[in-house]
This record gives sequence, structure tokens and C-alpha cells, in this order.
Amino acid sequence: DTAVSQTPKYLVTQMGNDKSIKCEQNLGHDTMYWYKQDSKKFLKIMFSYNNKELIINETVPNRFSPKSPDKAHLNLHINSLELGDSAVYFCASSLGTDTKNIQYFGAGTRLSVL
Amino acid sequence: EDQVTQSPEALRLQEGESSSLNCSYTVSGLRGLFWYRQDPGKGPEFLFTLYSAGEEKEKERLKATLTKKESFLHITAPKPEDSATYLCAASGGYNKLIFGAGTRLAVHP
Repeated sequence: DTAVSQTPKYLVTQMGNDKSIKCEQNLGHDTMYWYKQDSKKFLKIMFSYNNKELIINETVPNRFSPKSPDKAHLNLHINSLELGDSAVYFCASSLGTDTKNIQYFGAGTRLSVL
Repeated sequence: EDQVTQSPEALRLQEGESSSLNCSYTVSGLRGLFWYRQDPGKGPEFLFTLYSAGEEKEKERLKATLTKKESFLHITAPKPEDSATYLCAASGGYNKLIFGAGTRLAVHP
């Protein structure tokens, strides 16, 4: 079984559309994250939730809204998509927020905005 | 501003040719320094965490070391299957990882 799974794996859409990416982890972890990897391969953290509460909220356009219905799920909704949103989005999870807790990553969702 | 810089950007080695990757960081209140491996089309895979200067960790052909300003990932006698992008990340708290741009390693037979 995949530990951290994201759907869809690929997403191609037009500018201005609204889309969602889903993430689920079956590791029993309390903390989940969203990262964006741009064309230069930099991985940057966007959000982190611990026990369904938002604890990290980086400088991200408010068109991006994370939602955590329960500890095992963290979804990312993006409104009014722009060309610059094209990237690979990774979900990750860890046991908790302590640095000793390893982050496990999903396989990524490649978003292409046309 | 917290920052992580990796060098070189890309490295090509012959099988068996040992080398080192560098990661320099400026993070206030460093809680941990992480190394991940990323294969094309996949998510990062955890390798090591280092917590204090002088610490070393080893796994097969890889050895990670940490000083107060940088970390090194030493690769001894690499094999083609070691080809990947190696990512360094520093954490200043709340397990918030600040990643470098990575080093793309290609090992040729």
C-alpha cells in the first residue's frame, strides 16, 4: 500500500479554472504538508496542518486554500488558476511537528495551466 | 532570510569515482539538516537527519556530515543506481523544511 497518495498524478487545465488536488496518508501521522516544486526544482513549503489545524501558512496567494477534513487527508484547492501555478505539487506527512519526525512524500501532482 | 544552497548543480561521475556534494545553510536556530534523494517523476525519499555539528551518518555508499555552516554528502565508489537528484533541507522549527535546489548526480558505467 502506498503510504502517501496524491490524486490526480497529472492535471492539465485552462487559465481561470478552479481545481483540487487530494492527498491521503495511511501512516497514522498527525501532520501533513503541501510543497510546490517549480521548474527550477526548488521545493518550497506552502502549508502544514497538525491534527487538522493550520500551523504553517507561507506567503501563498489566497487563491490556494488547503482543507483537512481529518488527520489522514489534506486537500489543496486552487481558484482562478494562472500560468505561474504550473508546477509539481507534493504532499507529505510526518508523525508530528518535531524535527525528529521524518517527512514522507507522495509521488507528486504535475499541474499544467494552459 | 533562511537559505540553503547546494553545489554543484550537476555532477557526472564514473562508476567507482568517489566525490562529495555540498550544502551550505543560513537558518536561524537550526533544528536539523536533512538529506533526501529524488528520482525522476517521484517524491523525495528520506536519507539522513543530522542534528549537531560533528555528527556523521552512513548508509551503504553514502555518508553525511555536518558543520556549523554546511553539510556534505560523501559518495564512495558510486554505482549507476546512485544516479538521482540529492536534496538538502534545513529545519528551523515546526518541521518546516527549507530545501536547496538539489544536485543532479549521474553515475556512468
